[in-house]
Amino acid sequence: AQKITQTQPGMFVQEKEAVTLDCTYDTSDPSYGLFWYKQPSSGEMIFLIYQGSYDQQNATEGRYSLNFQKARKSANLVISASQLGDSAMYFCAMREAYNTDKLIFGTGTRLQVFP
Amino acid sequence: DGGITQSPKYLFRKEGQNVTLSCEQNLNHDAMYWYRQDPGQGLRLIYYSQIVNDFQKGDIAEGYSVSREKKESFPLTVTSAQKNPTAFYLCASSSAIRRGAGTGELFFGEGSRLTVL
Repeated sequence: AQKITQTQPGMFVQEKEAVTLDCTYDTSDPSYGLFWYKQPSSGEMIFLIYQGSYDQQNATEGRYSLNFQKARKSANLVISASQLGDSAMYFCAMREAYNTDKLIFGTGTRLQVFP
Repeated sequence: DGGITQSPKYLFRKEGQNVTLSCEQNLNHDAMYWYRQDPGQGLRLIYYSQIVNDFQKGDIAEGYSVSREKKESFPLTVTSAQKNPTAFYLCASSSAIRRGAGTGELFFGEGSRLTVL
């Protein structure tokens, strides 16, 4: 069964520094997609970045990049030049190609950026 | 602007009462979803619908019911059979997912926080 694991309940980072949020996954499906979402205190889920299992290059979106290591089944989110507004919960999620109806989420990591 | 609207944002319910959470989208998306979020946990799928007049149970459907009579609307009813309904409920939508194609990211509403008194 597919599973997403986020082992860091909380992370701290100083403003302007980079931070890596860990995500590992488990699936037997060779075709899948990995997502990262941000949830600020308002509660809304904001889509950040996507990585397909067959993508040759790591995904990047502005200050967000995804460190995709397929053999290790990890999809870590890297946020460069952290800003105070980056303080939020961050969720990793996965969709399998053969189970395209469902997006499975990890338990999340709370990131706090301090001045 | 296109988006997903959930209402009410906050809702209080007495034990034994059914309540209905509204979810409306104007993104012309085929698929809609309901997730539940508890403190310290990720999102868990309650129900989803890929097309009008059709829906499937997710991982935690017991005590909930849904309908999909219109493409843009996917209301969730929390019934008295749900033993622990206090939670944050998120509705989402996505464009039709073809096998292995597209990112299919979910677009979320702002959520509804239900508290049982």
